[in-house]
Amino acid sequence: DTAVSQTPKYLVTQMGNDKSIKCEQNLGHDTMYWYKQDSKKFLKIMFSYNNKELIINETVPNRFSPKSPDKAHLNLHINSLELGDSAVYFCASSDRQVSGYTFGSGTRLTVV
Amino acid sequence: AQSVTQLGSHVSVSEGALVLLRCNYSSSVPPYLFWYVQYPNQGLQLLLKYTSAATLVKGINGFEAEFKKSETSFHLTKPSAHMSDAAEYFCAVSKKTSYDKVIFGPGTSLSVIP
Repeated sequence: DTAVSQTPKYLVTQMGNDKSIKCEQNLGHDTMYWYKQDSKKFLKIMFSYNNKELIINETVPNRFSPKSPDKAHLNLHINSLELGDSAVYFCASSDRQVSGYTFGSGTRLTVV
Repeated sequence: AQSVTQLGSHVSVSEGALVLLRCNYSSSVPPYLFWYVQYPNQGLQLLLKYTSAATLVKGINGFEAEFKKSETSFHLTKPSAHMSDAAEYFCAVSKKTSYDKVIFGPGTSLSVIP
């Protein structure tokens, strides 16, 4: 069983399109995160939810909108995709700060 | 604000040689510290963590790290490199408060030469 699963694994789309990435965790964790990894491998947090409540919202364009229907799911919707949105997006979850994160395998988004 | 620096964006070692990956952090409060490994086309996997218990922390795959408060360092070591250790390694820091974000360093790419 995959602990943190993301779909799709690859996403190629044209500029201006709207797309969603889904994330599910079966670990019973309360907190979920979205991170963006750019072409230089740099990781930056985007959002965090705890029990469906938004607790971290970094400086991210409002074209990005997270949604958490329940504590096991955290989806990311992106409107009006731009070339600069091309990156690998990672979902992660944790139960306590001290435990560290469990990451999904990532979604490679390519905007053409 | 917290931050992490990793000296050396790329490190090469021979198989069987010592692995040393450097990490220095900046934090206004006692932090949690982590090392993660990322294999090609995969997500990050937790190697080990420092949470204010023992300063020498042992992790998976034979890795360990030592927390040195005076040097604000948390360097990662492994006595003998294996080909399978070739990957990207990230040092990370967070505050000891609930729900605080984890800040990742820029990463170090480790190559192992046969």
